[in-house]
Amino acid sequence: GAVVSQHPSWVICKSGTSVKIECRSLDFQATTMFWYRQFPKQSLMLMATSNEGSKATYEQGVEKDKFLINHASLTLSTLTVTSAHPEDSSFYICSARWEPNEQFFGPGTRLTVL
Amino acid sequence: GESVGLHLPTLSVQEGDNSIINCAYSNSASDYFIWYKQESGKGPQFIIDIRSNMDKRQGQRVTVLLNKTVKHLSLQIAATQPGDSAVYFCAEGGGATNKLIFGTGTLLAVQP
Repeated sequence: GAVVSQHPSWVICKSGTSVKIECRSLDFQATTMFWYRQFPKQSLMLMATSNEGSKATYEQGVEKDKFLINHASLTLSTLTVTSAHPEDSSFYICSARWEPNEQFFGPGTRLTVL
Repeated sequence: GESVGLHLPTLSVQEGDNSIINCAYSNSASDYFIWYKQESGKGPQFIIDIRSNMDKRQGQRVTVLLNKTVKHLSLQIAATQPGDSAVYFCAEGGGATNKLIFGTGTLLAVQP
């Protein structure tokens, strides 16, 4: 089956620093990837849709200047959390679209901002 | 607004029993529904899906039922096992964006 990886799996950083999270589709090409955020005991909340070769589409309430998304190739999308603060601590999950209605999810990245 | 919600946030069952997890959705335009299983600290894992032109679909030990009249979705797990313990999410999708909207989740706890 299709495999999506994320790196790193967890990261701890100081407040004010930037953190980059990578999402890769390992055995298929994905023109569209999605980034989600999940707080403890809550559901997945879509942050943005990442499109290869074009600008990402952000959901309402998500700051595009804070959460920078780059989808430079058909197998890689990156999410950079700029000037991270403790409230940005969360579980970030990406997915890659395989078919129009099918997404494969990565294992997630646990971000802790001190 | 559009939302997908669940009736039962926590479900506790005995090993070997059947489990039923419910979900309500509000967007009648959704044409695709998926159930995901999420174990602690991991990403969602696809279980089963169903299109809006169907009312039932079966997989291995799992069955999804869709009632469009009342906008209700359910996941049935037969002979529930300890390995089934996880949080289960329903999600709805469709349309030009192919975005998924996730429900609030149900924690399934299987007692040995």
